[in-house]
Amino acid sequence: EDQVTQSPEALRLQEGESSSLNCSYTVSGLRGLFWYRQDPGKGPEFLFTLYSAGEEKEKERLKATLTKKESFLHITAPKPEDSATYLCAVFPTGGFKTIFGAGTRLFVKA
Amino acid sequence: DTGVSQDPRHKITKRGQNVTFRCDPISEHNRLYWYRQTLGQGPEFLTYFQNEAQLEKSRLLSDRFSAERPKGSFSTLEIQRTEQGDSAMYLCASSSSAGRTDTQYFGPGTRLTVL
Repeated sequence: EDQVTQSPEALRLQEGESSSLNCSYTVSGLRGLFWYRQDPGKGPEFLFTLYSAGEEKEKERLKATLTKKESFLHITAPKPEDSATYLCAVFPTGGFKTIFGAGTRLFVKA
Repeated sequence: DTGVSQDPRHKITKRGQNVTFRCDPISEHNRLYWYRQTLGQGPEFLTYFQNEAQLEKSRLLSDRFSAERPKGSFSTLEIQRTEQGDSAMYLCASSSSAGRTDTQYFGPGTRLTVL
């Protein structure tokens, strides 16, 4: 069964303290892996799509990487405005049922 | 590009009532998805449309839920005989089948509270 597990569930950082969020997945075939940011009470905001192992994408303080079993979202020198829930999702081959993890809640303290 | 819009943003209803939500996707997107999200969880897939055809539906979706996309543009999600367990955020997303990108863009969601 296709599955996505994100860790840690919550992460508290000091401003400027770099860290990584993990997304482990099990899927029969991967069409794409998505990262989203979600603020409380709002819809998910698109960050990255990764398609194949070894691929990397960057945007401001965020960098996403992909292997055959997991993806990492690296946050460099975070700021308080980076506080949000970060969601990972897999888009499998052979269908359109996108599977999301439960998310990592990131808190960045000034 | 005005983004995905959803209406209403909030809905409070009594148990047993029917509710309908609307989603307007990004104009050039032919793919449309509905999700349900409860507190502390990621979005849960409900159903998928390509143009006006409903091509995939979650087995978790009871027969009280129905979705339509009559002209391949906006979509509606109806919940009949609502139950307290239906309280959640209902999210709509759209994407384009053109090119390689399968990126789904989400709307702001409709927050449903069933009393």
